[in-house]
Amino acid sequence: KAGVTQTPRYLIKTRGQQVTLSCSPISGHRSVSWYQQTPGQGLQFLFEYFSETQRNKGNFPGRFSGRQFSNSRSEMNVSTLELGDSALYLCASSVGQANSPLHFGNGTRLTVT
Amino acid sequence: AQSVTQLDSQVPVFEEAPVELRCNYSSSVSVYLFWYVQYPNQGLQLLLKYLSGSTLVKGINGFEAEFNKSQTSFHLRKPSVHISDTAEYFCAVSVWPGTALIFGKGTTLSVSS
Repeated sequence: KAGVTQTPRYLIKTRGQQVTLSCSPISGHRSVSWYQQTPGQGLQFLFEYFSETQRNKGNFPGRFSGRQFSNSRSEMNVSTLELGDSALYLCASSVGQANSPLHFGNGTRLTVT
Repeated sequence: AQSVTQLDSQVPVFEEAPVELRCNYSSSVSVYLFWYVQYPNQGLQLLLKYLSGSTLVKGINGFEAEFNKSQTSFHLRKPSVHISDTAEYFCAVSVWPGTALIFGKGTTLSVSS
């Protein structure tokens, strides 16, 4: 089975721009969640989508949004980029039950200049 | 609200020595507990999980963890480490509903010869 695929691997954007990150989950997985990883704050939960509906949301500003398509692929969008948005963004998929493990992609490294 | 504290940010050990990475959690409800490992420039990989039942959980690569409800701990152990175990280790607790996880800040395990 193919793993979780995130594209692109690296992105460089300018402050004020917007960016869209993409995630293809493992086949058959209906849940996709997103995490932000920074040296200072560690791993922080952004949001989770299950069957195209947002099921849970972390404590991030509205500039961070996401969506999930009918094939379970997910996109995450960040508008009006700030320097502090520079981070590794990780996508994880699972079958969707609370006790099911998350399978992570290798992440998208976003640098905001 | 749930929280996770990893008591050591860095743990240096020599090859073939035993190691324990400490994790304490806080939650007012029953939780699921996980340990993940992250190698450089990669996503996270599940090491082991505690859902219910036996408090001693065995995972991949010779790791095991013990769930202690009274001490709200979930420490990770390995009797003999290898150079290849050098990585960052994250303890996590589930958030209801869905599959969202709250992660600790991570422990960097450095194994030297």
